[in-house]
Amino acid sequence: AQSVTQLGSHVSVSEGALVLLRCNYSSSVPPYLFWYVQYPNQGLQLLLKYTSAATLVKGINGFEAEFKKSETSFHLTKPSAHMSDAAEYFCAVRLPRQGAQKLVFGQGTRLTINP
Amino acid sequence: NAGVTQTPKFQVLKTGQSMTLQCAQDMNHEYMSWYRQDPGMGLRLIHYSVGAGITDQGEVPNGYNVSRSTTEDFPLRLLSAAPSQTSVYFCASLPGSWTGGNEQFFGPGTRLTVL
Repeated sequence: AQSVTQLGSHVSVSEGALVLLRCNYSSSVPPYLFWYVQYPNQGLQLLLKYTSAATLVKGINGFEAEFKKSETSFHLTKPSAHMSDAAEYFCAVRLPRQGAQKLVFGQGTRLTINP
Repeated sequence: NAGVTQTPKFQVLKTGQSMTLQCAQDMNHEYMSWYRQDPGMGLRLIHYSVGAGITDQGEVPNGYNVSRSTTEDFPLRLLSAAPSQTSVYFCASLPGSWTGGNEQFFGPGTRLTVL
């Protein structure tokens, strides 16, 4: 069965510092991969997605992620953190040919930005 | 477009009570899903629908019922509420397609407390 692991339930960085949120998946077939962001008391919003095109994916708000098949990873990065980036981030996967509604989510990483 | 809407935003129930969480979308999406979000566990799929009249179970379906009589609406029913159902519930929709890159659109959530 496919699964998703997000390393670190809480990450804290200083404003202006690099943001790195880790996501690893377990699947013998390269899946479709998604990063969602959840701001306090809101629903989830798509940041970016990997669908077997370019391995480096650029998303909204300056975030990007790189698909590395050899490492089964899809880590999320942003060069310079902003206070508005404070939120919870979820990595999600879906296997090809599986129902599009069957997303499997990681447990989430709460990002705190220190002034 | 309003996107995906959910009502109510907050609800407190007593053990044994029943209620229906409402979800509607105005994007003419075929697929709709219900998730629950619990701390440290990410989002878990409860039930989903691939079209009007078609529903199926997700990862954690026990204690919940769904039906899909129209494309727009996908209510979630709690038959006899239990404290273990205290959670935040999200409804999501996406276009009906096996194309892997389709993203799910999430509603704002319903925060349910069962006493």
